Amino acid sequence: RKEVEQDPGPFNVPEGATVAFNCTYSNSASQSFFWYRQDCRKEPKLLMSVYSSGNEDGRFTAQLNRASQYISLLIRDSKLSDSATYLCVGRFGNEKLTFGTGTRLTIIP
Amino acid sequence: GAGVSQSPRYKVAKRGQDVALRCDPISGHVSLFWYQQALGQGPEFLTYFQNEAQLDKSGLPSDRFFAERPEGSVSTLKIQRTQQEDSAVYLCASSLAGGYSNQPQHFGDGTRLSIL
Repeated sequence: RKEVEQDPGPFNVPEGATVAFNCTYSNSASQSFFWYRQDCRKEPKLLMSVYSSGNEDGRFTAQLNRASQYISLLIRDSKLSDSATYLCVGRFGNEKLTFGTGTRLTIIP
Repeated sequence: GAGVSQSPRYKVAKRGQDVALRCDPISGHVSLFWYQQALGQGPEFLTYFQNEAQLDKSGLPSDRFFAERPEGSVSTLKIQRTQQEDSAVYLCASSLAGGYSNQPQHFGDGTRLSIL
């Protein structure tokens, strides 16, 4: 079982809709979590860190539930430019990042 | 400002050849990471340097893979006697701080390696 698991999709969502991704993790070591965004044939870029208290950045909201060991990302009022692969990422007690498979999102006009 | 720079951007090699991939991190960044990303998958950790010291190489898939960062800046990932399963995108990332921290890792564009 992978340490970080997420539904690979694809998710095809109409423009303006709200879309939510979940990700689960299995490592109980000291953790930090992030969402990265990766466009086709480009490098991963940090979208936002994830905190237990929840955090919001414009149309994006991230949440961490340590009891259930899942992380979520909510995108409101989706734009065409949100089309990308969203990578759920954990850091478990060391420096390296552990990535999920990524969830592919396509926003449809 | 300059980000993480990787070269070459694309590399095609015949099975059995040796290849060398270069990473030039952001100036002043202490930590440097190599990841391997297969098609349709997330990046997988290969190895980590803090300055010139290779602190973790647990992700290197075999002894054909070797990485170095002799002066604590530029790093080279070398793959000897390449196999078809080595075909992937090799990503380099750097971060400002050393040790366990929440400093973000900044990724380069990657080198897309194809083994024929």
